[in-house]
Amino acid sequence: NAGVTQTPKFRVLKTGQSMTLLCAQDMNHEYMYWYRQDPGMGLRLIHYSVGEGTTAKGEVPDGYNVSRLKKQNFLLGLESAAPSQTSVYFCASSYPRLGSPLAKNIQYFGAGTRLSVL
Amino acid sequence: KQEVTQIPAALSVPEGENLVLNCSFTDSAIYNLQWFRQDPGKGLTSLLLIQSSQREQTSGRLNASLDKSSGRSTLYIAASQPGDSATYLCAVANAGNNRKLIWGLGTSLAVNP
Repeated sequence: NAGVTQTPKFRVLKTGQSMTLLCAQDMNHEYMYWYRQDPGMGLRLIHYSVGEGTTAKGEVPDGYNVSRLKKQNFLLGLESAAPSQTSVYFCASSYPRLGSPLAKNIQYFGAGTRLSVL
Repeated sequence: KQEVTQIPAALSVPEGENLVLNCSFTDSAIYNLQWFRQDPGKGLTSLLLIQSSQREQTSGRLNASLDKSSGRSTLYIAASQPGDSATYLCAVANAGNNRKLIWGLGTSLAVNP
């Protein structure tokens, strides 16, 4: 049982380049999330999705786009990378449809993607 | 706006000690509160979730309490072990929008053999 898988694990970009981070979950979860984690600022929500074909903005959505064409996948795109986007990116998922609504906030995390933008 | 604060930011204890990590939140209208653990270079793992109607939850050597009226939660770790060394994060889901979590910055715990 893989849980939440993020690819790639590491990436170095030059300013202005674009890239896509892939998140895949095999738990049939309805909700998926993209966070960034920076020293002294904690985890900040970038975008999230409450179901296939839906996305919503989080706290810090500027400079990022997302898509959820399939329930198990949630893609995070950087349109034109900037040094301020150097961070560790985490994907998470929660809420199996047939599970208890009380469990919807129990988020399962991937191992993270370390991104450096030069 | 909900804000979550964790004190202390870092803690170092000898093995075997019982210890308490603190989490405070500014808006008592919460849906639930959750404690996570993060190991260096890895993702987060949910440890305990307390619904707003509950006072505490226990899992093994961990006990989390919730006092909504004072805006506080504590995570109690009994008989600490070096394997408990990690960063512990507290996160709150608001009653008005329980799809998202509001995170504290975490407490970095080192348990020394």
